[in-house]
Amino acid sequence: SQQGEEDPQALSIQEGENATMNCSYKTSINNLQWYRQNSGRGLVHLILIRSNEREKHSGRLRVTLDTSKKSSSLLITASRAADTASYFCATDAGRRALTFGSGTRLQVQP
Amino acid sequence: GAGVSQSPSNKVTEKGKDVELRCDPISGHTALYWYRQSLGQGLEFLIYFQGNSAPDKSGLPSDRFSAERTGGSVSTLTIQRTQQEDSAVYLCASSLEHNQPQHFGDGTRLSIL
Repeated sequence: SQQGEEDPQALSIQEGENATMNCSYKTSINNLQWYRQNSGRGLVHLILIRSNEREKHSGRLRVTLDTSKKSSSLLITASRAADTASYFCATDAGRRALTFGSGTRLQVQP
Repeated sequence: GAGVSQSPSNKVTEKGKDVELRCDPISGHTALYWYRQSLGQGLEFLIYFQGNSAPDKSGLPSDRFSAERTGGSVSTLTIQRTQQEDSAVYLCASSLEHNQPQHFGDGTRLSIL
């Protein structure tokens, strides 16, 4: 079964609005990473948050991590049409490779 | 640029044939990963290589799948006697160290007729 599960599966917003995506996982982790995938392309790493961190920012991205609830959220502020993509969380539980969720498909309408 | 390169980008083959997929990781990256992605789905881990250690093959779905990494650099993923359910995008990624941020290639889209 997937370690990380994103919610919602799909999200459609207008340009300028904020987009929030959530990720839940099941086991203890070392870190959690968010990736973006444009259609037909590979994944691009966005941000990594360690298990002892609660919040991290990078440009218009804000990531939170709540290890007690085993959940993370990715907030994209002031969204742009170019943010249209699928977003995946991935957990590092130390044993194997990263475990990826099934992703959130974000559509930003211009 | 000096990113992860995968070839071919597309491969169409008949059921029962063998296929080889190639991945050129970023120079100096010790870890290399193969994933499989079905349409609209997340990534399914297949295998990873870390330095000179024995690879973790725990994600390979059957003994028809194998992979090698020569000289700590280029990797090939081989699928023998392909089946229609093998149709997917096969993604390769590399990272400086295990489970650090991964850099992905654009994948090989494999279609089995």
